[in-house]
Amino acid sequence: GAGVSQTPSNKVTEKGKYVELRCDPISGHTALYWYRQSLGQGPEFLIYFQGTGAADDSGLPNDRFFAVRPEGSVSTLKIQRTERGDSAVYLCASSLPGAQETQYFGPGTRLLVL
Amino acid sequence: AQRVTQPEKLLSVFKGAPVELKCNYSYSGSPELFWYVQYSRQRLQLLLRHISRESIKGFTADLNKGETSFHLKKPFAQEEDSAMYYCALSGSGGSNYKLTFGKGTLLTVNP
Repeated sequence: GAGVSQTPSNKVTEKGKYVELRCDPISGHTALYWYRQSLGQGPEFLIYFQGTGAADDSGLPNDRFFAVRPEGSVSTLKIQRTERGDSAVYLCASSLPGAQETQYFGPGTRLLVL
Repeated sequence: AQRVTQPEKLLSVFKGAPVELKCNYSYSGSPELFWYVQYSRQRLQLLLRHISRESIKGFTADLNKGETSFHLKKPFAQEEDSAMYYCALSGSGGSNYKLTFGKGTLLTVNP
């Protein structure tokens, strides 16, 4: 079946601009996660959704970052006033209810802030 | 705080040789440990988890709580094993959703 999909695959923007990154989880997966992977690092947790609500947003680096999942399926990660340090691969993952430790990852969105 | 350390950025072996990718962790409690793999131009995928105690693609990993290690091993490496390998942990119970990853080890298996 279809895996987790993310769009766009690549995004180039200028410092100070606003960007939105989209994640479409596997059908039936109620849990959704966002991670950020900077160059030479492993993925770092940003936020976890269970259904429509953010159950844990402790990994969001600051208030420029925000994520929503209004209907409990597709999620959008929003970054305001982008900075060069935001350049990274943003990964989305999803999992079945009751199996949060088994996460299926999307291909990622590579964000470059010039 | 939870932390995962993969001391080797790069590991290069010849086909047929044994391979061991090291992983050490720090966690106050009973973590769950995982190995994820990313082949070239593919997405990150789960290779194995310690509670399954299974062998996937010939790889095994044993959780050593005394040494806080979860090294990944394969007795005879194959060229198709060349990939980026990440060790990860999650907490138990209510915090089992938050994966903490190491920085990864790039394994190259030479012909």
